[in-house]
Amino acid sequence: DAKTTQPTSMDCAEGRAANLPCNHSTISGNEYVYWYRQIHSQGPQYIIHGLKNNETNEMASLIITEDRKSSTLILPHATLRDTAVYYCIVRVATGGGADGLTFGKGTHLIIQP
Amino acid sequence: DAGVIQSPRHEVTEMGQEVTLRCKPISGHNSLFWYRQTMMRGLELLIYFNNNVPIDDSGMPEDRFSAKMPNASFSTLKIQPSEPRDSAVYFCASSFQGPNTEAFFGQGTRLTVV
Repeated sequence: DAKTTQPTSMDCAEGRAANLPCNHSTISGNEYVYWYRQIHSQGPQYIIHGLKNNETNEMASLIITEDRKSSTLILPHATLRDTAVYYCIVRVATGGGADGLTFGKGTHLIIQP
Repeated sequence: DAGVIQSPRHEVTEMGQEVTLRCKPISGHNSLFWYRQTMMRGLELLIYFNNNVPIDDSGMPEDRFSAKMPNASFSTLKIQPSEPRDSAVYFCASSFQGPNTEAFFGQGTRLTVV
């Protein structure tokens, strides 16, 4: 799986949009971009994933650049409960089987009141 | 569904003892994963199963670790004998089989070996 690079930590004011960048310059054409987060003392939680197109769900938006070498996770109106470590993961779209996720160090997002 | 259920939530054991961690995946999911998280190494994939069959156990640290999935609704991770360096939070996750799927994680088991 391709390697990802994320900032170690970021701050964001409550109520503002949080934009978390991820670099995956070696991504292959058959690799998805996944985002998970881990709130303190909990298991990781799926947020969103995409292949080429931008994606949006009730939690966040995922913007993938046209060359697919980077992406941005956007939390439109951050709340204190969004304070967590956010992991950007690229995952090969293999055949029928599911394989595990390779977690990096992630970005520690701190929402400030 | 109650989500992925792990037990126990906390386990404290003495070095040399056998430890068994348990996981009940989400009903209908056919892939199951065991992860370990420590401050030093972060989240590491230990082993995963598809349709109850172990597919990749290359992340299992040593022969002291073993995992089984006797049926679609239950899996165990056993450490025998346990050592202090096995202290970590162990997570179980499940998903539908396939690359375009999301994994659901349990709350984890915090293991302390003294």
